[in-house]
Amino acid sequence: QVQLVESGGGVVQPGTSLRLSCAASGFTLSSYGMHWVRQAPGKGLEWVALLRYDGENKYYADSVRGRFTISRDNSKNTLYLQMNSLRVDDTAVYYCAGGSGWLSRYWGQGILVTVSS
Amino acid sequence: ERVLTQSPGTLSLSPGERATLSCRASQTIGNNYFAWFQQKPGQAPRLLIYDASSRATGIPDRFSGSGSGTDFTLTINRLEPEDSAVYYCQQYAHSPLTFGGGTKVEIK
Repeated sequence: QVQLVESGGGVVQPGTSLRLSCAASGFTLSSYGMHWVRQAPGKGLEWVALLRYDGENKYYADSVRGRFTISRDNSKNTLYLQMNSLRVDDTAVYYCAGGSGWLSRYWGQGILVTVSS
Repeated sequence: ERVLTQSPGTLSLSPGERATLSCRASQTIGNNYFAWFQQKPGQAPRLLIYDASSRATGIPDRFSGSGSGTDFTLTINRLEPEDSAVYYCQQYAHSPLTFGGGTKVEIK
């Protein structure tokens, strides 16, 4: 049974950093493309970043490029999202998701990140 | 960037009726890499349809997807109260991946 569990969220001030984690069980992260997707309160879904199965190719939304970095630790079977220079409009529930190719077949339950002064 | 426009914004139907949700892309979606997700309040999105017309594991055959190029449709036959949710379309062929704005389906 595939399970993705996000952690690391919380309340932070604008301009600071936060690292989200997504621990996977029931499947091997390095075999799949993995995404971060976010949802601002009361809003729709916004794709944030993709790490291809090869671990080399990374893609980002324009809104986070240069501030966020997606990565993974194969030994821990865990995906990360390093978020720097956080802004108020980064406030959202962040989901990790993954599957074959670029399809988001499996989703975590989400973790809330609040950026507020 | 391929912008996805969903219509209608809200659909209010009775149990047993058919729901037809549309999603139009600003440019052609390659390989029909197109998906539909269902999201209920407080829950993560759930994959319903991928590759435009393939049902995900465990999804009832009341849900079907069709379309190609720039126009895609999600059809829900014989609506049930549990189908009340927001439905999102997504293209996963081109970076940046993009979602539509969502269609809210209400069951009367």
